[in-house]
Amino acid sequence: DSGVTQTPKHLITATGQRVTLRCSPRSGDLSVYWYQQSLDQGLQFLIQYYNGEERAKGNILERFSAQQFPDLHSELNLSSLELGDSALYFCASSAPWDSTDTQYFGPGTRLTVL
Amino acid sequence: GEDVEQSLFLSVREGDSSVINCTYTDSSSTYLYWYKQEPGAGLQLLTYIFSNMDMKQDQRLTVLLNKKDKHLSLRIADTQTGDSAIYFCAERALKTIFGAGTRLFVKA
Repeated sequence: DSGVTQTPKHLITATGQRVTLRCSPRSGDLSVYWYQQSLDQGLQFLIQYYNGEERAKGNILERFSAQQFPDLHSELNLSSLELGDSALYFCASSAPWDSTDTQYFGPGTRLTVL
Repeated sequence: GEDVEQSLFLSVREGDSSVINCTYTDSSSTYLYWYKQEPGAGLQLLTYIFSNMDMKQDQRLTVLLNKKDKHLSLRIADTQTGDSAIYFCAERALKTIFGAGTRLFVKA
């Protein structure tokens, strides 16, 4: 158990809908990262937040957005869902005092868009 | 640009050694990591190596780093069926970049 929690574990929805994925980082970690893992694209970095502020952006679509709240939990919002958005979405966190900047991953949310 | 490459598949027999290879492009990498992902689970850190090291050993795992060739390898000794998983190499320079993952199949 990495200490990173993600909810829900599974999500099934229809095209055109909007969903919110939630992540709670390890206690003390200030950075939260979001990744998308699909069979054909591998592990894609989406976005990073540090202490509430956006720190880095990867291959995140305009239909997707994220935020990190004052209690450091983060939410990833996916809207106008398409079949191709079906994937595993991982959240990871890292500690500001860790010079190795190791990321600790949550168990993921499996999104299925029908 | 920054890139991390790994072969997609590796198949070994139980009891043999597995060697998973990775190449990266950013010469300013400070840390390099190996993560393991079991089916239906998140990525779990296996080990990391600092860029000024050549080798790191941790029980059955040996990490070799050739900085000149920007080549990283993970050797798993006495591979077991429980080692079947996807192994991700990652490098950290300004940010952490993950490879696509190598799927290790262990045949009994």
